[in-house]
Amino acid sequence: DTGVSQDPRHKITKRGQNVTFRCDPISEHNRLYWYRQTLGQGPEFLTYFQNEAQLEKSRLLSDRFSAERPKGSFSTLEIQRTEQGDSAMYLCASSRARGKVYNEQFFGPGTRLTVL
Amino acid sequence: AQRVTQPEKLLSVFKGAPVELKCNYSYSGSPELFWYVQYSRQRLQLLLRHISRESIKGFTADLNKGETSFHLKKPFAQEEDSAMYYCALNPSNTGKLIFGQGTTLQVKP
Repeated sequence: DTGVSQDPRHKITKRGQNVTFRCDPISEHNRLYWYRQTLGQGPEFLTYFQNEAQLEKSRLLSDRFSAERPKGSFSTLEIQRTEQGDSAMYLCASSRARGKVYNEQFFGPGTRLTVL
Repeated sequence: AQRVTQPEKLLSVFKGAPVELKCNYSYSGSPELFWYVQYSRQRLQLLLRHISRESIKGFTADLNKGETSFHLKKPFAQEEDSAMYYCALNPSNTGKLIFGQGTTLQVKP
């Protein structure tokens, strides 16, 4: 296991197009998080899953954004009708949560989205 | 409001000099705080967490609830410490980390 992987690493698209990103977490990790990072800022939380259940979505996640984790393994993040303001690095992280104990999140390399 | 503030975008020091990266937080509950580091062309990784109270790569950070701070310190900086450092808050133990804006540490030879 080489850690959290994300695909693609880079995506350039035109405004109005739909894009989908994939995240493969570390295999035994039950929690999966998506963050967005714009230039000069720290990562901002978008949403997270425990197994296949999406437990929370940030208000940053507009209706154009949807995330799934259908079998509790990999996750996809889709952005519909992309806008230039969606240009950012999209980070995925996973952790092994046990009850209320917080465990370290391991981050993927990110997908850099550029909307022209 | 829950917030993490890192007032310095860039901190530049010479090798061997002490380093202090500042972090202040705003949170009404009992905070759980972390420092993450991102070296050039590498992914974000955990450096240390306040609960563990350990020193990692010579770095320490003490939680000061009175000043709502969690500054990262190292007595003698090394060139390999050059990286981007993020302070993060875990509210309500959910793992929904709130990050500061980050500080670039540049250690000059």
